[in-house]
Amino acid sequence: EAGVTQFPSHSVIEKGQTVTLRCDPISGHDNLYWYRRVMGKEIKFLLHFVKESKQDESGMPNNRFLAERTGGTYSTLKVQPAELEDSGVYFCASSQFGPFSYEQYFGPGTRLTVT
Amino acid sequence: RKEVEQDPGPFNVPEGATVAFNCTYSNSASQSFFWYRQDCRKEPKLLMSVYSSGNEDGRFTAQLNRASQYISLLIRDSKLSDSATYLCVVNGGTGTASKLTFGTGTRLQVTL
Repeated sequence: EAGVTQFPSHSVIEKGQTVTLRCDPISGHDNLYWYRRVMGKEIKFLLHFVKESKQDESGMPNNRFLAERTGGTYSTLKVQPAELEDSGVYFCASSQFGPFSYEQYFGPGTRLTVT
Repeated sequence: RKEVEQDPGPFNVPEGATVAFNCTYSNSASQSFFWYRQDCRKEPKLLMSVYSSGNEDGRFTAQLNRASQYISLLIRDSKLSDSATYLCVVNGGTGTASKLTFGTGTRLQVTL
C-alpha cells in the first residue's frame, strides 16, 4: 500500500512569491493533517481536514496560508506571499476514519526555503 | 512551559545497552499517546501507540502514568539501527482523530 506522498520534496523561493505544496494521503484515509517544523523547533500542527471539510485550522499562522482539499482526496497548501519565517519542513499526515483514527502516518515532507 | 517536554539528549549508548526516555505532558485532557521515530531529514514514523496498561513490542516497552502525566519508552538490547530521534507525541483532543502535539525529541546514538 502506498504511503502519504508529498510534492515537491524541496522548494526554494524568494520572499513575496507564491508556493503551493501538495499532499496525497493514503488511499481511503478521510483524515488529512498539515504540520510544520521550523528550524530548531518541534513539529507543530497547522490544520486538519475530514474529507473535504476543515475540522480544525487553529494552527494556521495567518491568512497568507490557504489549505484546500477539494473532493476529499489530495490537499494543497498555498503560501502567498511567502515570508522568510515560513521556511521549514511541511509535513502532511493522514489517518483512517474509525477506531484507529488517532494513528497518523506522515509523508516525507516538503522542505521550503524562502530567501 | 512546553506542552510536551523531553530531554533532548543526546543519549550515547553502546550496542546492547538498555536505554530509557521520559516525557511529560501538560494537557490532562490528552487521550492518546505515541512514540514516533524520526531519522535525520526524514518524516516521523509511528513506533508505538502507548496504552494505559503499558505495552511491549519486541525490544521496545512503553508505559503511561496518567496521574503523573508521564510517558516512557524503554529500548532493550540497543542496535546501531536504533540511532534516531525519538519523539513523544500526544493527541490533545477529546475525540480520537485530532491534532498531535510533539515534543522536541530525544536523540539516541548507539555506538559499537
